[in-house]
Amino acid sequence: EVQLVESGGLVVQPGGSLRLSCAASGFTFDDYSMHWVRQVPGKGLEWVSVINWDGSSTDYADSVKGRFTTSRDNSKKSLYLQMNSLTTEDTALYYCSKDAALRLGEICLDSWGQGTLVTVSS
Amino acid sequence: DIQMTQSPSSLSASVGDRVTITCRASQSISSYLNWYQQKPGKAPKLLIYAASNFESGVPSRFSGSGSGTDFTLTISSLQPEDFATYYCQQSYRTPYRFGQGTKLEIK
Repeated sequence: EVQLVESGGLVVQPGGSLRLSCAASGFTFDDYSMHWVRQVPGKGLEWVSVINWDGSSTDYADSVKGRFTTSRDNSKKSLYLQMNSLTTEDTALYYCSKDAALRLGEICLDSWGQGTLVTVSS
Repeated sequence: DIQMTQSPSSLSASVGDRVTITCRASQSISSYLNWYQQKPGKAPKLLIYAASNFESGVPSRFSGSGSGTDFTLTISSLQPEDFATYYCQQSYRTPYRFGQGTKLEIK
């Protein structure tokens, strides 16, 4: 069974930094691209970033480009999101999710964690 | 960037009803369109990928169609467990934006 467990969400001041982690199990982690998606409580989903299987390629939403960095450690089956220069608009529940392209032949998100809450507030 | 617009934003329906949710892309995305279901307090769940393909385990009352810029998700006969929020997502190119969501409520 695929499991994704996010951690690292905290209350942080504007301008601060935070690193989120996502621990993966139940699948061959280094075969799959991974994504971060966030959701302001009570609002819609916002795609944040994607990283390919070996970490050599990443892409980001314009709202986080230049401030957030996605990385992975395949030896630890872990995904990371380094968030810098945080603003109140970054307050959200952050999900990591597995890309199903290898399994289904199409980019889509077939497994999700339960999310970790980041609150940016003074 | 490709913008995704869903309609309606909310919908009230009864068990047994047939409902259709629409998703429109700001430019052609071929069939690179996915649908997700999210229940309160839960992570989203993939329902349909590539516009019309079922994820494993998804009931056959769900169906997706469309290509280019206009897509639909149809639930043929609503069941109590279907009341949730539904999101479309384009996977044609990054950023892989979601629609704003359609909240399906019990009438």
